[in-house]
Amino acid sequence: GAGVSQSPSNKVTEKGKDVELRCDPISGHTALYWYRQSLGQGLEFLIYFQGNSAPDKSGLPSDRFSAERTGGSVSTLTIQRTQQEDSAVYLCASSLVAGGVINTIYFGEGSWLTVV
Amino acid sequence: AQSVSQHNHHVILSEAASLELGCNYSYGGTVNLFWYVQYPGQHLQLLLKYFSGDPLVKGIKGFEAEFIKSKFSFNLRKPSVQWSDTAEYFCAVNHNNAGNMLTFGGGTRLMVKP
Repeated sequence: GAGVSQSPSNKVTEKGKDVELRCDPISGHTALYWYRQSLGQGLEFLIYFQGNSAPDKSGLPSDRFSAERTGGSVSTLTIQRTQQEDSAVYLCASSLVAGGVINTIYFGEGSWLTVV
Repeated sequence: AQSVSQHNHHVILSEAASLELGCNYSYGGTVNLFWYVQYPGQHLQLLLKYFSGDPLVKGIKGFEAEFIKSKFSFNLRKPSVQWSDTAEYFCAVNHNNAGNMLTFGGGTRLMVKP
């Protein structure tokens, strides 16, 4: 597609349930990022995938969070045993990386997660 | 760890007023700098970016930003704001030795009164 696509756009879940958020990056973009934007907060880095390299998971807030990227394209962010503090907008982004140099990062519209 | 600071959290201006939003970062090496904008109900969009060359960068919708290396700053400016500029503005920095992670500031909410 023309842009980064995320689904679902909105998700309400009960505390303790698992959720999966999906990201379909721009075709040809080798780098994929997940960020979290909480109410009144800035953007918090979660995880970064680049090609076949091991992902940078340094931003994941706890072991309840995990992400995978299949076939170098679509990515799924999984949150297990959700807590109310997990409520946020989860943003996916992708970019080209040429010669190890970052290019512009393009963002999806986000998945609004509400844990009740 | 690299940090990005946006000191103005909320700014309210009248139409036609001039705008300057501050952005400072902590790392002293080679950096790539970005400003993103998020209009109400929309996703983040790139406003402008600096990689190298002329430190005065012009972006879309009349925005510009100036990279001042000695001050570790990349302030965003617009000479005359419009009501449609009401949005949240995020400064972001990529440090070449930090892989391709982009570190964001906390954002500045701009409200332009008609």
